[in-house]
Amino acid sequence: EVQLVESGGDLVQPGGSLKLSCAASGFTFSSYWMSWVRQAPGKGLEWLANIKEDGRVKYYVDSVKGRFTVSRDNAKNSLFLEMNSLRVEDTAVYYCARDDESVHGYWGQGTLVTVSS
Amino acid sequence: EIVMTQSPATLSVSPGERATLSCRASQSVSSKLVWYQQKLGQAPRLLIYGVSTRASGIPVRFSGSGFGTEFTLTISSLQSEDSAVYYCQQYNNWPWTFGQGTKVEIK
Repeated sequence: EVQLVESGGDLVQPGGSLKLSCAASGFTFSSYWMSWVRQAPGKGLEWLANIKEDGRVKYYVDSVKGRFTVSRDNAKNSLFLEMNSLRVEDTAVYYCARDDESVHGYWGQGTLVTVSS
Repeated sequence: EIVMTQSPATLSVSPGERATLSCRASQSVSSKLVWYQQKLGQAPRLLIYGVSTRASGIPVRFSGSGFGTEFTLTISSLQSEDSAVYYCQQYNNWPWTFGQGTKVEIK
């Protein structure tokens, strides 16, 4: 069974940093692109970034480019999102998702990041 | 960036009736269009990809159609468990973008 479990969400002050993790199991992690998607409270979904199987290719949405970095550790079946210069508007539930032919076939349950002073 | 626009924002349908949801892209996305279902308090779930291919385990009452810029998700006979927000997303051009969602309510 495919499982994605996010962790690392927390309350952080504006300008602060946070690193999210996503632990994958039930599939060959190193064979899939992976994505991060977020959802602000009461709002819709926003795709943020994804990373190729070997970690060498990454894409980002403009709103996080230069502030967020996606990475992975295939030996540990883990996906990461390092977030710097956090803003109030980054407050959201952050989901990791497995990309199946570019489609988010499986999602984690999400982890909440709150940016507030 | 391709803008995805969904309509209506909210749809109220009686059980057993048909629900039709629309999604429009600001430019052609070919057939790279996917629908997700998100129930209250849950993560999104893949419903349909490539415009019209149902994901594994998705009931046949869900169907998708369209091409280019105009797409439709149809729920042929609405069930109570279909109450959710439905999102379309294009994956033809970076960045991938979602519509704002259509909330389907059971009348």
